[in-house]
Amino acid sequence: DTGVSQDPRHKITKRGQNVTFRCDPISEHNRLYWYRQTLGQGPEFLTYFQNEAQLEKSRLLSDRFSAERPKGSFSTLEIQRTEQGDSAMYLCASSLVGGRNTEAFFGQGTRLTVV
Amino acid sequence: LAKTTQPISMDSYEGQEVNITCSHNNIATNDYITWYQQFPSQGPRFIIQGYKTKVTNEVASLFIPADRKSSTLSLPRVSLSDTAVYYCLVGDHDRGSTLGRLYFGRGTQLTVWP
Repeated sequence: DTGVSQDPRHKITKRGQNVTFRCDPISEHNRLYWYRQTLGQGPEFLTYFQNEAQLEKSRLLSDRFSAERPKGSFSTLEIQRTEQGDSAMYLCASSLVGGRNTEAFFGQGTRLTVV
Repeated sequence: LAKTTQPISMDSYEGQEVNITCSHNNIATNDYITWYQQFPSQGPRFIIQGYKTKVTNEVASLFIPADRKSSTLSLPRVSLSDTAVYYCLVGDHDRGSTLGRLYFGRGTQLTVWP
């Protein structure tokens, strides 16, 4: 395990469809984050987990968005009834809280296009 | 939430030293300063983190004055591959990685020319 893995890398969907993204963090990392990034902007925080507990959610995370991290390992982000405004890069990051280094490691992202 | 202010863009030539300054006037006592680098279609990558004075690693140096209201990321002898967006973030180190509470902003687009 050399890094954070996200699947799929690209997703094109029709408006109104549901999509689900998966993130596999670095194995020993206990914290997992989801971010969204649109063109020309920095990543915007969506939510994060400490182990399996979802500790914080941004107001950007509408009712159509849901994230899970069962057993504190991989995480999924589901978007229901997608809208064109959901088109963005969805980034996952993980970190080890309590370790000496607090840097977060990002995956390569899932680029969602809603048509 | 301590927001930051950075230049939108900077240009440099290969082999030059590049200094990117970030303002964070509302930085709190427990906040650390962290810089990330991002290439197109990739996630951000950690560069360096510091609390005060100077920090150096194999990639960059970070200069933080005594009042900690600003910081400067220094990239020695840049190459074409250093062309990227650089983000300055501040946050509470004592809570572990609090990336969820950190504001990325738009970052600084550094372009290195041959």
